[in-house]
Amino acid sequence: KQEVTQIPAALSVPEGENLVLNCSFTDSAIYNLQWFRQDPGKGLTSLLLIQSSQREQTSGRLNASLDKSSGRSTLYIAASQPGDSATYLCAVRGGEKLIFGSGTRLLVRP
Amino acid sequence: KAGVTQTPRYLIKTRGQQVTLSCSPISGHRSVSWYQQTPGQGLQFLFEYFSETQRNKGNFPGRFSGRQFSNSRSEMNVSTLELGDSALYLCASWDRDYTGELFFGEGSRLTVL
Repeated sequence: KQEVTQIPAALSVPEGENLVLNCSFTDSAIYNLQWFRQDPGKGLTSLLLIQSSQREQTSGRLNASLDKSSGRSTLYIAASQPGDSATYLCAVRGGEKLIFGSGTRLLVRP
Repeated sequence: KAGVTQTPRYLIKTRGQQVTLSCSPISGHRSVSWYQQTPGQGLQFLFEYFSETQRNKGNFPGRFSGRQFSNSRSEMNVSTLELGDSALYLCASWDRDYTGELFFGEGSRLTVL
């Protein structure tokens, strides 16, 4: 049974810092991994999708990597801004279901 | 192009009532899935539809049901509401089998009193 873990559960950093969010999964037989952002009371916004054959994806200040063999993905945020404050979730598609981690709540302090 | 649209955005019901939530996927997307999000349990999978057929169902009681129409719009229904059904219900759509990028709606916030 696929399990997805995100550590840390919460993170507070000063503005301008580069940071890394972690996502680990137990079963490496996946189709893809997707990173989302969620603002309080809102839906999920897709940030990056990495297919199982890919090693990384980039969008602006965001870079996501995938290492299937070790069951890990990281989301790198460069030059963080207060507007980046949100909960970040990773989700793994390992067959028929999309399994979500519990998220990392990020606060970027001005 | 328009994103995933969920209606209603907010609703309040009392225990024992039933509720129907609607989801209109992105134009051209034939796959729709539903999730329940609560502070204690996080995001939990409810069901998934493709071309009007339910492909997967999560571990929820039979009070939770859903369907998809020929235009890919989907509805979910919860009967005999319980206090624990209070949650944000999220719908997502995508355009490819298992490899497509999921796009979520803003959700329907259900409060059961």
